[in-house]
Amino acid sequence: KAGVTQTPRYLIKTRGQQVTLSCSPISGHRSVSWYQQTPGQGLQFLFEYFSETQRNKGNFPGRFSGRQFSNSRSEMNVSTLELGDSALYLCASSPGLAGTLQYFGPGTRLTVL
Amino acid sequence: AQSVSQHNHHVILSEAASLELGCNYSYGGTVNLFWYVQYPGQHLQLLLKYFSGDPLVKGIKGFEAEFIKSKFSFNLRKPSVQWSDTAEYFCAVIHGSGNTGKLIFGQGTTLQVKP
Repeated sequence: KAGVTQTPRYLIKTRGQQVTLSCSPISGHRSVSWYQQTPGQGLQFLFEYFSETQRNKGNFPGRFSGRQFSNSRSEMNVSTLELGDSALYLCASSPGLAGTLQYFGPGTRLTVL
Repeated sequence: AQSVSQHNHHVILSEAASLELGCNYSYGGTVNLFWYVQYPGQHLQLLLKYFSGDPLVKGIKGFEAEFIKSKFSFNLRKPSVQWSDTAEYFCAVIHGSGNTGKLIFGQGTTLQVKP
C-alpha cells in the first residue's frame, strides 16, 4: 500500500497570505490527524477528522481550519499567515477511529516570510 | 494540562553502548503509549506501542519499552546502539479509552551515536 502523501512538500508564503495543504491517507484509512512541528514547540496536535467530521481540535487559533472529504482526503487551511506559522505540518492516517496506530506522512514544510 | 516529559534532550553514545530514554506522562487514567522515531530527512515512524497486557513491549530494530503504571513512565531501551540509530525519538500518549486520535508528544530526544 502507498503511504500517506502530502502536497506540496515545500511552500513559501508571505505574511498575510493564506495557504492550503493537502493530505491523502493510506487507502482504506478513514481517520486523518494534523500536527504542527516546530523546533520551539515540538509536535502539537491541530485537529482530527473521521468520516468528514472533526472529532477533536487542538489549541490553535481560528486561522487554522481543516476539512475531510468523502474519500478521506483532508485539507488544512491557514489564513492570514504569520511568521510563527513557519513549521513542518504533518498529516497522519489511521484505519478507524484514531487512538490506535497513526501513520505519518513526510510533511509539508511551510516557510512564511 | 496533560503533558509528556522526556528527560533527555540530547544524548551522545558510542556504538555498542546501552540506551535508555526516559518518558513520563501526566495523566492517571487509561493511556495508549507510543515511541516514534524520526531519522534525518525521513518522516515519523512508529518504533513500538503499548495498549494493554504485558508492560514490556518489543518494537522494531531491537528497541523495547517498559510501561510502569505506578511511575507514569514508558522508558525506551536498547541494549546495544548502532550508528544507524542516530535520530530523534519522541514519546507520545493518547489519553482515554481510545476514542480520540489526539497524540500528545514529548519534546523529543536527539540521539547521536558515534561510530
